[in-house]
Amino acid sequence: EIVLTQSPGTLSLSPGERATLSCRASQSVSGRYLAWYQQKPGQAPRLLIYGASTRATGIPDRFSGSGSGTDFTLTISRLEPEDFAVYSCQQYYSSITFGQGTRLEIK
Amino acid sequence: QVQLVQSGAEVKKPGSSVKVSCKASGGTFRNYAFGWVRQAPGQGLEWVGGIIPILHIPNYAQKFRGRVTFTADESTSTAYMELRSLTSDDTAVYYCAKDISGSLPTYFVFWGQGTLITVSS
Repeated sequence: EIVLTQSPGTLSLSPGERATLSCRASQSVSGRYLAWYQQKPGQAPRLLIYGASTRATGIPDRFSGSGSGTDFTLTISRLEPEDFAVYSCQQYYSSITFGQGTRLEIK
Repeated sequence: QVQLVQSGAEVKKPGSSVKVSCKASGGTFRNYAFGWVRQAPGQGLEWVGGIIPILHIPNYAQKFRGRVTFTADESTSTAYMELRSLTSDDTAVYYCAKDISGSLPTYFVFWGQGTLITVSS
């Protein structure tokens, strides 16, 4: 099983700042089969990025994904108030596993 | 626009079973994968498994193999997950989700609202 480790566990930033979230895989995720989700309290996850770097329909361009192999990054260029949430990565190269999530909170 | 509407919250006794439904509207039902993901209180997302209705071939997370069954009724556009031999560790919100690629494993574009399953004596 591919284990995904996200860091940091919690990220405290202010609106307007840049957020960089990391997702590290225990083995290579070939084909860049990695997705990112946003989840707010009491809501279902929302797909942001798939294929490591392709934005899902309707996702603002301040969200971007990058990386390959075992190291992937989600970047939010300028934080908006509605971006404060939990972000999870998911690999779909070998079965499906999720990272434990990064909580992005307002500083 | 695809919508997934799940059945309501349930409280179950340890050792019992639960069956959660996920009714889809909009889009094509049979050609795309339905997945089930759970989230224990305060925890991260966990893959349970899924099915592609047209293939009737389930895909299980190893942890749940033998204890979970996935089915799909094309006549009502409804996917089901049945989990057996429940323990308190199964207390979680269970989400159904639908992809747009028609294969498993995959990422999920559309999500249901979640169904809270509480296992308690």
